[in-house]
Amino acid sequence: SQELEQSPQSLIVQEGKNLTINCTSSKTLYGLYWYKQKYGEGLIFLMMLQKGGEEKSHEKITAKLDEKKQQSSLHITASQPSHAGIYLCGADSDDKIIFGKGTRLHILP
Amino acid sequence: DTGVSQDPRHKITKRGQNVTFRCDPISEHNRLYWYRQTLGQGPEFLTYFQNEAQLEKSRLLSDRFSAERPKGSFSTLEIQRTEQGDSAMYLCASSFGGQWTEKLFFGSGTQLSVL
Repeated sequence: SQELEQSPQSLIVQEGKNLTINCTSSKTLYGLYWYKQKYGEGLIFLMMLQKGGEEKSHEKITAKLDEKKQQSSLHITASQPSHAGIYLCGADSDDKIIFGKGTRLHILP
Repeated sequence: DTGVSQDPRHKITKRGQNVTFRCDPISEHNRLYWYRQTLGQGPEFLTYFQNEAQLEKSRLLSDRFSAERPKGSFSTLEIQRTEQGDSAMYLCASSFGGQWTEKLFFGSGTQLSVL
């Protein structure tokens, strides 16, 4: 079965700094999703990547899928308090999405 | 688009009691998913429906758990004889499923605490 490993597990950064979260899959990724979750809430869709080498951006968040389609990264530029939360990567697996354990991001003012 | 709604948001119950959760998906979505999330973990897949048919059930879904989606609209998840290990956030999601897995839209979840 496919497994996703996220790193780091948690991250504390000063407001205004850049940061990167990584997601590594045990199998080739045919659809890679990034979601954000506020503590105790549901998941909010950020981006989906499907093609090797694909890169998407929304506001200050950029996600990339490597050429071999086994790794993805999420980069936040000039972090803000609103970026705090749990970032989850998910993989398309037989008509459902399986998720990594998440990266907990804290932003220090 | 009113989003995915789940009811209740919080449920506290005593061990051994039965509980039922409800999920109303986005109206035009034909797929509905249930996930369970414990503290510090990502969501774990439980089961999913395409219209009214339950197409897959995870091994996590013991025989105390049952899910239904009558008429392909809302869904219910029932847990019988609850145990403390059932304490978790239960998340519902829906999508318009086709050839590929489309992005899932999640509800706010039902937080279950079993005392």
